[in-house]
Amino acid sequence: QQPVQSPQAVILREGEDAVINCSSSKALYSVHWYRQKHGEAPVFLMILLKGGEQKGHEKISASFNEKKQQSSLYLTASQLSYSGTYFCGTDNSEAAGNKLTFGGGTRVLVKP
Amino acid sequence: GAVVSQHPSRVICKSGTSVKIECRSLDFQATTMFWYRQFPKKSLMLMATSNEGSKATYEQGVEKDKFLINHASLTLSTLTVTSAHPEDSSFYICSASSGRASYNEQFFGPGTRLTVL
Repeated sequence: QQPVQSPQAVILREGEDAVINCSSSKALYSVHWYRQKHGEAPVFLMILLKGGEQKGHEKISASFNEKKQQSSLYLTASQLSYSGTYFCGTDNSEAAGNKLTFGGGTRVLVKP
Repeated sequence: GAVVSQHPSRVICKSGTSVKIECRSLDFQATTMFWYRQFPKKSLMLMATSNEGSKATYEQGVEKDKFLINHASLTLSTLTVTSAHPEDSSFYICSASSGRASYNEQFFGPGTRLTVL
């Protein structure tokens, strides 16, 4: 089942913060976050696992909500390089492994 | 990070011909590779999962006889679009992973833009 991302798009000024959400109707086992710039490959940002483990870049932070049905990605003190489309990929069970269903994406534009 | 290449980056072909796309992991062994299709400004739609040495697993609605996947080695997977038609025109993107667990990230290739005339 495809997760729902919100907002669909966000425009912010350099230095501002933003939050991107990824929601599922079922509890998530893991959430993977990627950023894709126009015409380029998606780049891995972070993995969140149900048990609380995290794996990813130091400057990117994300969280699960209590019911593990939503993950939020935090863009703090945004930089111009943060512009791109952010995708979350999810799986609902350990058995799924890293076979992911991706959300529709959130387009982020950071302006000077 | 790990590097994944795709070849070709762009291909234009006539309707009815077959096109092969290669996906290579350059600096790690990829136990699993995934093939996606991406429409403009849309999400990544998983087509199939390819495991080295075994048959690919296709997602519902994806014709396995049309989209042939071969994962012959730990660094190479190929997608062959057979008897291509204009509706097959799309951006095809692969990813590779060193494992199949949830904590194994996927590393994406730069994609192949296929245009079928």
